Amino acid sequence: EAEVAQSPRYKITEKSQAVAFWCDPISGHATLYWYRQILGQGPELLVQFQDESVVDDSQLPKDRFSAERLKGVDSTLKIQPAELGDSAMYLCASSLVPSGAYNEQFFGPGTRLTVL
Amino acid sequence: DQQVKQNSPSLSVQEGRISILNCDYTNSMFDYFLWYKKYPAEGPTFLISISSIKDKNEDGRFTVFLNKSAKHLSLHIVPSQPGDSAVYFCAASPCDYKLSFGAGTTVTVRA
Repeated sequence: EAEVAQSPRYKITEKSQAVAFWCDPISGHATLYWYRQILGQGPELLVQFQDESVVDDSQLPKDRFSAERLKGVDSTLKIQPAELGDSAMYLCASSLVPSGAYNEQFFGPGTRLTVL
Repeated sequence: DQQVKQNSPSLSVQEGRISILNCDYTNSMFDYFLWYKKYPAEGPTFLISISSIKDKNEDGRFTVFLNKSAKHLSLHIVPSQPGDSAVYFCAASPCDYKLSFGAGTTVTVRA
């Protein structure tokens, strides 16, 4: 069964360091999402890609966060420099067709980031 | 600004009984509602959804009810099974725009 892959699964870093997360969506899925889930809260959308283009990055803290999907397949989310408040689960999801919510989003297992 | 609220962080139910999970929302533009289920160390998986033109959607043991006037939806699981122990997220979207998630409810099904 096709799955969304994410790596690493866990990352511990010190504040002010740079971190990067990788996501490989289900093959053929044009839409890719990065979510942040802070402990005790639901996932919050950071950025949405349609192929290689950013559709929505309104909640992405652009002073320190960046995301790319250069060939419209896999994607990287980077934080530089990391801050204590960035400690969270970072989830990647993909969906088959261009849309927001009407089409099912398939989530990866996430990357748990701890900033010390 | 939490537009989707799940006010019960946890729920414990005996195997075979009904589990009822509640969700309230504030945005009157929401027209599509979903429930996701999440096991530890896994990503959320889609469970069931409902459009605002309906007030009920059923899929096997899972039924979602929508009360638009009260801006409230609920998920019923009947009968509850041990494998249903998980975190359940309510989510909503306005006009096929991005999802807003609730904080989740942890369900524990006791044998």
